[in-house]
Parts: sequence; structure tokens; C-alpha cells
Amino acid sequence: GAVVSQHPSWVICKSGTSVKIECRSLDFQATTMFWYRQFPKQSLMLMATSNEGSKATYEQGVEKDKFLINHASLTLSTLTVTSAHPEDSSFYICSARGDRDFNEQFFGPGTRLTVL
Amino acid sequence: QKEVEQNSGPLSVPEGAIASLNCTYSDRGSQSFFWYRQYSGKSPELIMSIYSNGDKEDGRFTAQLNKASQYVSLLIRDSQPSDSATYLCAVTSGLTGGGNKLTFGTGTQLKVEL
Repeated sequence: GAVVSQHPSWVICKSGTSVKIECRSLDFQATTMFWYRQFPKQSLMLMATSNEGSKATYEQGVEKDKFLINHASLTLSTLTVTSAHPEDSSFYICSARGDRDFNEQFFGPGTRLTVL
Repeated sequence: QKEVEQNSGPLSVPEGAIASLNCTYSDRGSQSFFWYRQYSGKSPELIMSIYSNGDKEDGRFTAQLNKASQYVSLLIRDSQPSDSATYLCAVTSGLTGGGNKLTFGTGTQLKVEL
């Protein structure tokens, strides 16, 4: 149980294009999903908290117009990186809060974004 | 002061030994504590959660929590080469409405040597 998938696992794009990353909870309903970013040799940094049916809550310093989050159903949240630039290249990881223990978060496998 | 602090390591232990990983946190109101394992290039995997003072054991893993000292640790018994990874300590906010946000430490790299 508590399996989270992400798609794509990696993506390479040109500067200025937009990239959409999907996060799905496969065997449970996730009312809350989280989006993280991790740069090499650094820890995970929370970007935003996504609640089903409502606007995402962004952490300080994260541009909401650049990182668009949609959580339209209890099993799917998407992160769109708009007008991507090389400095957006990173490892993006989503997590979903479990439905049995609301304190536990289960992570997707991550998406490695490279912007040329 | 960092909210969650860990020694970055690397911590090297011989195969079969006990590995001891430590973490301190600054928010005295923190309620929930987690240990995640992260292999290079992969996403974190939940190993242990602990919510009350004392020890919690699961197989070869034991988590220890001391809220008075704001300290949480992870012991790995009979360490195996496959345990070589970065171990992340994570803490949820003690703030009401914090939304169960996790704050991660920078992780301790563990190397189990043959």
C-alpha cells in the first residue's frame, strides 16, 4: 500500500518551454500532496502543499506563477514548470499524505528535469 | 540555527556493526519524527516514524526520541552494504495548521564497508 508514482521520470527541455509533471497515488486517496525540489548534495526543500479542490499553498520564495500546481482529484496532482530556465534544472519529488496515518508522507520516485 | 540538524558524514561502519545516526531539532512543539533513507539519485523511502518519547523497534531499525533534549536517533543493527545511503531526519511542524509539513535535515551519509 501507499504507492506514489510520478511521470515522467526524467525530461530534457529547451529553455523557455513548459514542462508538466504528474504525481499519482495508486492505491489510496490523497487529499494532500506535497511538491519538493532537491538540488545535488542538498536536502529536500518543500515548494508547495497541494490540497484536492483548492489552491496550492506555496512556500516563501517559490513563484506560484512559475510553478503551477493543480490537484484536481484525490489521486492526481500536477506541477507545471512554466518558461523553464537552466536554473530550474533539479530533481522534483512529490509526496502524498497517507490515508491511515496522516502524519506519514510517501514519496514518488521523482522527476529529473534538465533545461538546456 | 537550522531547524533540523544532522551530521553530514560520511559515517563509515563495518558490515555487521551498529550504525548510530543522530538528529536534533529546534522547534520544541514538534510532534512527529521520521527517518527516511535515500539512495543516490532516488527519492526518499520512509523507514521509521516515532511520535512519543522512548524507543521504537522495527526489524533491524530502532528509533529513539527524547523530546526534552530535542533529539531523535536511528540505530541500524547488523549493518549491511545495502544500508549504504543517505539517511534523512524529518520533523513535522508543531504549529497549529502547519499542515503536517515536513522539515528535513541535510542527511547523514552512511557507508557500510565489507
